[in-house]
Amino acid sequence: DGGITQSPKYLFRKEGQNVTLSCEQNLNHDAMYWYRQDPGQGLRLIYYSQIVNDFQKGDIAEGYSVSREKKESFPLTVTSAQKNPTAFYLCASSSWGGVAETQYFGPGTRLLVL
Amino acid sequence: KQEVTQIPAALSVPEGENLVLNCSFTDSAIYNLQWFRQDPGKGLTSLLLIQSSQREQTSGRLNASLDKSSGRSTLYIAASQPGDSATYLCAVKGGQGGSEKLVFGKGTKLTVNP
Repeated sequence: DGGITQSPKYLFRKEGQNVTLSCEQNLNHDAMYWYRQDPGQGLRLIYYSQIVNDFQKGDIAEGYSVSREKKESFPLTVTSAQKNPTAFYLCASSSWGGVAETQYFGPGTRLLVL
Repeated sequence: KQEVTQIPAALSVPEGENLVLNCSFTDSAIYNLQWFRQDPGKGLTSLLLIQSSQREQTSGRLNASLDKSSGRSTLYIAASQPGDSATYLCAVKGGQGGSEKLVFGKGTKLTVNP
């Protein structure tokens, strides 16, 4: 089956701890994205990557870091500098460019602070 | 900066009713507009994508229209069913500067009562 997988489904973070959220896709998409969703809010873009070994900050990148070493994978690290990390995190992928390209979303990871 | 607004924030209707969800955006220089569905605790599923040169798209009981000059889109759901209960998100791609990023509204939470 083609699609996007995210793991874990739930993640707990202790004070001062860095945690990493996994995102993998087998859709052969060049572009990948990380979004944060808070209750009653739309999605806000954290980071995106158009191609391997390249990524760009989105609207709320502070306290987060990413890497793109493989086309299929785009892990997100929530660092201790992110003071309010509790949220639902969504990964997406798409072909890059074009007016008819949609983004495909993973099932999400819910991050909670202990 | 592109801003997307969805009205109403929540809507409750009896089964079988036809309904309209509204989306407005501030910058009309878009590439496309998309409607997504999100079930509780899940990722997003693309419903319809309207390119900037198009006026509407249809899929089954769903019809989405786009009036780019006025910065508005509507999602029409015919003969609503309890299975349609979900949050519906509108997102636009593009705007001044030609951004490839999607900008999301906060969504409309729809409840269809049996």
